[in-house]
Amino acid sequence: EIVLTQSPGTLSLSPGERATLSCRASQSVSSSYLAWYQQKPGQAPRLLMYGASIRANGIPDRFSGSGSGTDFTLTISRLEPEDFAVYYCQQYGSSPGWTFGQGTKVEIK
Amino acid sequence: EVQLVESGGGLVQPGGSLRLSCAASGFSLSNYWMHWVRQSPEKGLVWVSHTNSDGSGTSYADSVKGRFTISRDNAKNTLYLQMNSLRAEDTAVYYCARTGGYFEFDNWGQGTLVTVSS
Repeated sequence: EIVLTQSPGTLSLSPGERATLSCRASQSVSSSYLAWYQQKPGQAPRLLMYGASIRANGIPDRFSGSGSGTDFTLTISRLEPEDFAVYYCQQYGSSPGWTFGQGTKVEIK
Repeated sequence: EVQLVESGGGLVQPGGSLRLSCAASGFSLSNYWMHWVRQSPEKGLVWVSHTNSDGSGTSYADSVKGRFTISRDNAKNTLYLQMNSLRAEDTAVYYCARTGGYFEFDNWGQGTLVTVSS
């Protein structure tokens, strides 16, 4: 099973600052099958990025994704108030097929 | 507009059963792989099960294999999860989710809470 480890666990930043979130896999992941989600309290996760670097429909361009192999990054170039949330990475690969990271909380400093 | 609406959650005793439903609208279920994903404070987001477009292929997380059964009725545009022999550790919010072209979950329902407790 591929384990995804996200860091940091919590990121304390101010609006307007840049956020860099890391997702590290225990084995190589196809970049085609790496996705990122945003989740706010009481809501379902929302797809942000897929294929490591492709923004989902309606996602603003301040969100970008990069990486390959075992190291992937989600960057929010300038934090807006609505960006404070929990972010998860997810991969598809060998059994059990789909796994998630434990999440990074981006909180207001 | 794509919508997924789960129902069927609730409180059930250990060893009991529950059947979750996910009604899809705004798209044809028959064109997509579909999933159940659950979330608890202890375990976070965990993929539970998937079914291919016509239901002929399914897979399960080891933690639910032999106890849960995923199925679909494409004519009714509805996905199901039959959960038997429920355990306390199955307590979670259960989401149905649609698969995108890169095996991502491109649309999610609002979730339904399952609580297993005596």
